[in-house]
Amino acid sequence: SAVISQKPSRDICQRGTSLTIQCQVDSQVTMMFWYRQQPGQSLTLIATANQGSEATYESGFVIDKFPISRPNLTFSTLTVSNMSPEDSSIYLCSASGSWYEQYFGPGTRLTVT
Amino acid sequence: ILNVEQSPQSLHVQEGDSTNFTCSFPSSNFYALHWYRWETAKSPEALFVMTLNGDEKKKGRISATLNTKEGYSYLYIKGSQPEDSATYLCACLNAGGTSYGKLTFGQGTILTVHP
Repeated sequence: SAVISQKPSRDICQRGTSLTIQCQVDSQVTMMFWYRQQPGQSLTLIATANQGSEATYESGFVIDKFPISRPNLTFSTLTVSNMSPEDSSIYLCSASGSWYEQYFGPGTRLTVT
Repeated sequence: ILNVEQSPQSLHVQEGDSTNFTCSFPSSNFYALHWYRWETAKSPEALFVMTLNGDEKKKGRISATLNTKEGYSYLYIKGSQPEDSATYLCACLNAGGTSYGKLTFGQGTILTVHP
């Protein structure tokens, strides 16, 4: 198993600003992912964070809005850029070593005013 | 685009009641189904991973079944307790195409167990 921590746990931000969310895994993992859950919606995959290369984004998500870094096998960051109220969501980091295991962080609850 | 649906959206039961909810998913290119339990301000906790048609899994008072041919899974909770109150998520893992290796989640079922 893997234990995942995220910082910050919650934040209230003004529109037009950016927030960087950090994700730390307690062991080396192959895959790391970033998800978003908007109010009343499903958890939606934003991107796969690739170690040492650019992240792979899902349809509807772009690097300029959600830049992602993954400098090593245990750490990743997601930045939410130029925020608007529509970015108010829970952002979750996850890590996986195989198809049958995916572990999640506790989430970052973001409110944009 | 995968479409995973859960019903009902929310459920209120009394302590001691048994309950169940449904997850529907496309049966084509199916690889695995995950069930998670998510309490507020905590990490989603993995309950079950199921792959085979007819699979049944059990963990304490919680059990799940899987029908890959018709594309649904049921989660059952026997004798619900207030501590079972949480959002229950199902997620489908597909093989092939653009969804390979990635989880697609349903909207979740919010369960509230009243003492």
